[in-house]
Amino acid sequence: EPEVTQTPSHQVTQMGQEVILRCVPISNHLYFYWYRQILGQKVEFLVSFYNNEISEKSEIFDDQFSVERPDGSNFTLKIRSTKLEDSAMYFCASSPQGPRGEKLFFGSGTQLSVL
Amino acid sequence: EDKVVQSPLSLVVHEGDTVTLNCSYEVTNFRSLLWYKQEKKAPTFLFMLTSSGIEKKSGRLSSILDKKELSSILNITATQTGDSAIYLCAVGKGNKLVFGAGTILRVKS
Repeated sequence: EPEVTQTPSHQVTQMGQEVILRCVPISNHLYFYWYRQILGQKVEFLVSFYNNEISEKSEIFDDQFSVERPDGSNFTLKIRSTKLEDSAMYFCASSPQGPRGEKLFFGSGTQLSVL
Repeated sequence: EDKVVQSPLSLVVHEGDTVTLNCSYEVTNFRSLLWYKQEKKAPTFLFMLTSSGIEKKSGRLSSILDKKELSSILNITATQTGDSAIYLCAVGKGNKLVFGAGTILRVKS
């Protein structure tokens, strides 16, 4: 079965450094998402992306965050200057139908640790 | 503020038991309710519910939505150790899902 792949599985960085989290969505999907889960807390929506632009973003997704689909396969999340509170599991997800279809396929996540 | 509340927070049962997990929501512009199973890392899709009163089934799992009560239940019959996981409820709104905190289910052999 096709799956969403994320790299790296773990990322350790120093506060203030830039990180790029990478995702390869399922190939025929058109809608892409980033969610995060701080340890012991709920899964939180960050951003949705369709047709090469952001369709919705949360309050968490401030100017430090950006997303890009640089080619036909990758979908990236960049955090420009990481803070301690950015430490979390970051999940990429994709969907063939977007909001009307709802069924999101999640990747296995990137565990980001900011020291 | 949108809320999705799951209960119980955690549950320990023995193999063969039947469990019922609850999800209630207060979300404006509700579109759908979804259940996911989270083992180790990635949430995996179980059900999507949009219509009240129609039960969805997949093997030993079933779920139903009550739009009047703003709630849903997930039933698991004849539980197995492989059912041990976190069960997440999420409500579809706009371009996103709003998640509850999850119910941790542990099935003892």
